[in-house]
Amino acid sequence: GQQVMQIPQYQHVQEGEDFTTYCNSSTTLSNIQWYKQRPGGHPVFLIQLVKSGEVKKQKRLTFQFGEAKKNSSLHITATQTTDVGTYFCAGPSNAGGTSYGKLTFGQGTILTVHP
Amino acid sequence: EPEVTQTPSHQVTQMGQEVILRCVPISNHLYFYWYRQILGQKVEFLVSFYNNEISEKSEIFDDQFSVERPDGSNFTLKIRSTKLEDSAMYFCASHRRVIYEQYFGPGTRLTVT
Repeated sequence: GQQVMQIPQYQHVQEGEDFTTYCNSSTTLSNIQWYKQRPGGHPVFLIQLVKSGEVKKQKRLTFQFGEAKKNSSLHITATQTTDVGTYFCAGPSNAGGTSYGKLTFGQGTILTVHP
Repeated sequence: EPEVTQTPSHQVTQMGQEVILRCVPISNHLYFYWYRQILGQKVEFLVSFYNNEISEKSEIFDDQFSVERPDGSNFTLKIRSTKLEDSAMYFCASHRRVIYEQYFGPGTRLTVT
């Protein structure tokens, strides 16, 4: 079945440093979504990328979708303590054509920001 | 802003007991899901539900699991005979349109002893 891999598993940064997490899918994706989960919280939608090569920015966050639509990245510039949490990429499964929005999540990258 | 709600927030049960986890999705949403997350691990899909029936289920979702939408608002996950390995956070999620951002509830932490 579809697999979504994410690296690194952990990232510890000093406040102000940049952070990047990478996501790779075993299959071509129709779109990719990114979620953030704060410690003890639930996944919260950040963004959805649909087009090949798409780049989207949200303030200090930059999201990219690969040309082959199998990989994606999230880059945070000048991290802040409020950025702490686990960042997940997730791709919809199109198996059988009836799975609607079923998401396959990557393992997540746990970001720790030291003040 | 509308949100998905889940009850209870924490459920402790003994192995072999039945549990029902409840969710109230956002009112105009049409697609409903249950996911689970074992502590420290990734979020795993369990089941999707649309038009009053299961549209897909994972290998995890065996005969011990069932879902219902008994009325226009609630969406429930039942585990008939809980096992120790069912201990996890269970998230309900919903969305309005196909392939769209999913709104997750705060989760129910299920502890099976």
